[in-house]
Amino acid sequence: SQQGEEDPQALSIQEGENATMNCSYKTSINNLQWYRQNSGRGLVHLILIRSNEREKHSGRLRVTLDTSKKSSSLLITASRAADTASYFCATDGGSNYKLTFGKGTLLTVNP
Amino acid sequence: GAGVSQSPRYKVAKRGQDVALRCDPISGHVSLFWYQQALGQGPEFLTYFQNEAQLDKSGLPSDRFFAERPEGSVSTLKIQRTQQEDSAVYLCASSLLGGQGGGQPQHFGDGTRLSIL
Repeated sequence: SQQGEEDPQALSIQEGENATMNCSYKTSINNLQWYRQNSGRGLVHLILIRSNEREKHSGRLRVTLDTSKKSSSLLITASRAADTASYFCATDGGSNYKLTFGKGTLLTVNP
Repeated sequence: GAGVSQSPRYKVAKRGQDVALRCDPISGHVSLFWYQQALGQGPEFLTYFQNEAQLDKSGLPSDRFFAERPEGSVSTLKIQRTQQEDSAVYLCASSLLGGQGGGQPQHFGDGTRLSIL
């Protein structure tokens, strides 16, 4: 069963615009991670945020975490066509190793 | 540098056949994971190894699924008497530390796409 739910399921934007994806989850967590998956490829780790952190940045990525609402958001600024991919959030449900993924958001960045 | 390598990339089998999927993790990585990903879905956890010990197999769908990592490096996922519902992409991931290392990134291979006819 999948614990996380990403929203929206699909998002289409123009190059240069910002993209925001949201993730909601159900149980308590130690960490939340975001991954990217290009079609036909494996997942690539983007960023990890711990339960005691509220915001984290990495390059053009900004992640927020609200444990009281059991939600997280991923912001990609100044998007590029190469950002076109599916994006997944993953939670550890307190296990420190076992990740539960959502269904993902399919992001399309049009040149 | 070498990442996680999975073989074969594609496997077609007839219903009832046995299949074996191989994963070569990043050298020195303690933890190894197998996931199953259905079309349009996120990966679902199957099993977890710390070195050669299988610490969690709670996600394996049935006793037809078996995984091993005998020397703590290469792992094989075996599916016996395959069924059509086993068709999916099987992903392997590794991470540097064991579970007690806290949250850490998992490094994924490109997966094996299994089709059962």
